[in-house]
Amino acid sequence: NAGVTQTPKFRVLKTGQSMTLLCAQDMNHEYMYWYRQDPGMGLRLIHYSVGEGTTAKGEVPDGYNVSRLKKQNFLLGLESAAPSQTSVYFCASRGGKNHIPDTQYFGPGTRLTVL
Amino acid sequence: GQQVMQIPQYQHVQEGEDFTTYCNSSTTLSNIQWYKQRPGGHPVFLIQLVKSGEVKKQKRLTFQFGEAKKNSSLHITATQTTDVGTYFCAGYVSGGSNYKLTFGKGTLLTVNP
Repeated sequence: NAGVTQTPKFRVLKTGQSMTLLCAQDMNHEYMYWYRQDPGMGLRLIHYSVGEGTTAKGEVPDGYNVSRLKKQNFLLGLESAAPSQTSVYFCASRGGKNHIPDTQYFGPGTRLTVL
Repeated sequence: GQQVMQIPQYQHVQEGEDFTTYCNSSTTLSNIQWYKQRPGGHPVFLIQLVKSGEVKKQKRLTFQFGEAKKNSSLHITATQTTDVGTYFCAGYVSGGSNYKLTFGKGTLLTVNP
């Protein structure tokens, strides 16, 4: 049981390049989330999904797209990277409100630098 | 929108001193969760509080949920170097969508041995 995994762990992009971050969970969780973490800003929600085939915008969705084609995977895409997207990206999954405790499980993070 | 404020932003203590971080929400929360993030690591769930006035303990850590379910605190007794990290509170809005967890900005605790 690996929990939540993220690939890649590190990436350096040039402005304008595109990339996809992959999040996978093996806990059969319904909900999945993408956050970014910047110094002094805490965790900010980018997009989330409440089930396979569904996605919704979070607090800071601009410049990102997501897809949840399979229940266990949640992809975060940057179509045209900008230096402002330099950050640490965390994926999280959650079983749902009937789970006790109703916690989010975080992946190890992806450190992205955009030059 | 809902805001969760956390103070202080930073706290430096000598090993053995106590530490407290406070969390305040602009709206009533259905529950409050606390996470710890070690330097270079990812947030890890510590505890969830659901009931008004609830108090829970985990060894040297004491968690409280306010009577109005708008505030919470985490108190660490006799800090150790292993307590170093950022502590986040997070909550779901009572009566809200229950999908999005709103995080405070965290309190970074450093401990001088």
